[in-house]
Amino acid sequence: QKEVEQDPGPLSVPEGAIVSLNCTYSNSAFQYFMWYRQYSRKGPELLMYTYSSGNKEDGRFTAQVDKSSKYISLFIRDSQPSDSATYLCAMSANEYSGAGSYQLTFGKGTKLSVIP
Amino acid sequence: DTEVTQTPKHLVMGMTNKKSLKCEQHMGHRAMYWYKQKAKKPPELMFVYSYEKLSINESVPSRFSPECPNSSLLNLHLHALQPEDSALYLCASSQVVPELGGEQYFGPGTRLTVT
Repeated sequence: QKEVEQDPGPLSVPEGAIVSLNCTYSNSAFQYFMWYRQYSRKGPELLMYTYSSGNKEDGRFTAQVDKSSKYISLFIRDSQPSDSATYLCAMSANEYSGAGSYQLTFGKGTKLSVIP
Repeated sequence: DTEVTQTPKHLVMGMTNKKSLKCEQHMGHRAMYWYKQKAKKPPELMFVYSYEKLSINESVPSRFSPECPNSSLLNLHLHALQPEDSALYLCASSQVVPELGGEQYFGPGTRLTVT
């Protein structure tokens, strides 16, 4: 079983739809959860960051973390064609090494297309 | 400002060339990272610098040589690359201690083509 599972899609929705993107994970040590948006041939852009369980909202985006189920979600309301991109979930554990650094584990990414 | 900058944006090099990729951030982050990303794949960690010292090298071939001259700059020196090294090379930065902020910020990347 991979550490982080993410449905690669592709996912195609009409403009204005609510989009739900999800990741499941197996490592119970993960505490820091991120969603990145990546346009074609560009670097990942941090959309949402959540520590531990709970919800976080930023404009049209809502991130949810359910640590008991090892499940995270990103909701996009009123989706726009400009939201068409690949969405990557990423997470890390608080494994503080002597060198003081930590690593992200990524999902494979979900490619989203919002059709006008 | 949460910006990480990378130069150049595009690079084409032959297998015998030597070139360098550059990365800069001014967020006060003391952890900096190099990732390699192939098409339709997530980023793959190459190196981690913490307090300007190399802390993680993910078994990367020696033809890739990282350098962290100061807390804001990160370089990746390239020599004798192979065509399979063609990819998007991403720099990222973060706080060293996750409790101060566990998120990583990525630069726009350098698209490298090895001919």
